[in-house]
Amino acid sequence: AQSVTQLDSQVPVFEEAPVELRCNYSSSVSVYLFWYVQYPNQGLQLLLKYLSGSTLVESINGFEAEFNKSQTSFHLRKPSVHISDTAEYFCAVTRTSGNTPLVFGKGTRLSVIA
Amino acid sequence: DTGVSQDPRHKITKRGQNVTFRCDPISEHNRLYWYRQTLGQGPEFLTYFQNEAQLEKSRLLSDRFSAERPKGSFSTLEIQRTEQGDSAMYLCASSFAGNSYEQYFGPGTRLTVT
Repeated sequence: AQSVTQLDSQVPVFEEAPVELRCNYSSSVSVYLFWYVQYPNQGLQLLLKYLSGSTLVESINGFEAEFNKSQTSFHLRKPSVHISDTAEYFCAVTRTSGNTPLVFGKGTRLSVIA
Repeated sequence: DTGVSQDPRHKITKRGQNVTFRCDPISEHNRLYWYRQTLGQGPEFLTYFQNEAQLEKSRLLSDRFSAERPKGSFSTLEIQRTEQGDSAMYLCASSFAGNSYEQYFGPGTRLTVT
């Protein structure tokens, strides 16, 4: 079975400061990795995904995440956050084979302070 | 394409009552998933369908829960004899079978059992 640990439940950060949201996973088989974002009163939206290839993946709004197999991590980073980035961020994994459902972490609430 | 829709968005019910939620997936998606999200937790998988066939059910899905997707399009999730512990956000997601890791989520139905 797979599991995901998001070490920080809440991360407050000032506007224009950098941020890192941590995600570690556990799995005995190969996995795909994802970050989802949930804005207040909205559904989850896929932010970015790692399937294969380059270990550094980027989103259209400036976030990036790096897959580190040896450390079983997939941390999310942004060099300069905006007020509009305030949301809940979920890391998720699924096996590369077998079409299994997503397994989510508990989430990290990012609060950007003006 | 209007995305995944769920109805109702909010439901308040008394303990012991039955409730039913509806999910309309993205029209060309043949996979449909149900997740449950409680306060402070990430989404947890409940069940999923490929077309009209229910392919997997989580241990979280007690006998009081039943899900259907009769024509392979919309799905319903029914909870019988609701308990206070059923209070949660119920999320629906859809995907293509061949691309099942890329799931699109609806806004959710928030259930409060009093």
